[in-house]
Amino acid sequence: DAKTTQPTSMDCAEGRAANLPCNHSTISGNEYVYWYRQIHSQGPQYIIHGLKNNETNEMASLIITEDRKSSTLILPHATLRDTAVYYCIVRVATNAGKSTFGDGTTLTVKP
Amino acid sequence: EAGVVQSPRYKIIEKKQPVAFWCNPISGHNTLYWYLQNLGQGPELLIRYENEEAVDDSQLPKDRFSAERLKGVDSTLKIQPAELGDSAVYLCASSLRGSFSGGEQFFGPGTRLTVL
Repeated sequence: DAKTTQPTSMDCAEGRAANLPCNHSTISGNEYVYWYRQIHSQGPQYIIHGLKNNETNEMASLIITEDRKSSTLILPHATLRDTAVYYCIVRVATNAGKSTFGDGTTLTVKP
Repeated sequence: EAGVVQSPRYKIIEKKQPVAFWCNPISGHNTLYWYLQNLGQGPELLIRYENEEAVDDSQLPKDRFSAERLKGVDSTLKIQPAELGDSAVYLCASSLRGSFSGGEQFFGPGTRLTVL
């Protein structure tokens, strides 16, 4: 599975959009981009995934560049409860795909 | 729908003692994962089960760690004997296998192990 690079930490003002970047320059054609987040003392929670088209769900939007070498997770209106560690993972979209978590980005939403 | 259940949530033991963690995945999920998470780091896969079969245990330290998933539902992860370096959070996750399930993994709350 491809390696990802994320900033260690980011801050965001409450109510503003949080844009979390991820670089995955060695992604393969059959690998998807997944995002999970982990709130303190809880297990990771799935957010969204995509292959090459932009994706949106009730939690977030995922923007993948045309060359697929990077992506951005967007939380449109961040709240204090969005404070968490966000992990970007690239893997095949089957259960055989190994989710290799890096150290993620710690997002702190401030009032 | 009930999520992934793990017990105990916390465990404190002395080194060289055995310890076991239990996981009940989401009903109908064929695939079960055990992860280890050290403080400040992301989870690392220890073992993955497809039904009863361990299909990826390459990262499981087999000298002291063992796991089982009898009947393809619940799973137990054991450490014997525990070492100081085993202090971590042990996470269980499950997912639904299908032609294109998306592969999303659903995680339990984890068991925080402290070895003294």
